[in-house]
Amino acid sequence: GQNIDQPTEMTATEGAIVQINCTYQTSGFNGLFWYQQHAGEAPTFLSYNVLDGLEEKGRFSSFLSRSKGYSYLLLKELQMKDSASYLCAVSDYKLSFGAGTTVTVRA
Amino acid sequence: EAQVTQNPRYLITVTGKKLTVTCSQNMNHEYMSWYRQDPGLGLRQIYYSMNVEVTDKGDVPEGYKVSRKEKRNFPLILESPSPNQTSLYFCASSLDRGSYNEQFFGPGTRLTVL
Repeated sequence: GQNIDQPTEMTATEGAIVQINCTYQTSGFNGLFWYQQHAGEAPTFLSYNVLDGLEEKGRFSSFLSRSKGYSYLLLKELQMKDSASYLCAVSDYKLSFGAGTTVTVRA
Repeated sequence: EAQVTQNPRYLITVTGKKLTVTCSQNMNHEYMSWYRQDPGLGLRQIYYSMNVEVTDKGDVPEGYKVSRKEKRNFPLILESPSPNQTSLYFCASSLDRGSYNEQFFGPGTRLTVL
């Protein structure tokens, strides 16, 4: 089975940096995704990691350590529009999602 | 425009009244999936389909049926809805079952069963 943990809520100030951690214990592993979901909307793809290390995409970066079962999503230069839920999902030919982390950005 | 569409977007119904939520994608994707999303539980997979006429159960299939007669369509059927099926439902598709393929989600269907 899959066990994916991430914090429920985080709050940060506009312009700051926030790091969302995700730990997982899964029966198989073929990659880890991060999705962003604004309230009432569909999830949208942010990043994919399959090898250890950091993947950078503009203001967003994602890190993976397979040996530790650990990933984080780093959001830099926070903007108000970044207020959303961030979903960690582990792929084992089937995508299993964590419960999501709600990030609130304050002015 | 490449997209996944779902209908209806909102539905209020009563216990036991059969309903169907439609899902359609125009990206020629082989893999399609249904999820439900509940507070504190995240997205949970109900059923998935790897191609036409190939469907399989996800984590929470009880009370649901699906069919895949055409590549683009993947309807979700609730034969006898119950209040515990009140939830936000998402259909998703990806190129194939490959683990590296991102899933594209429809806009969601908010279902309330009274």
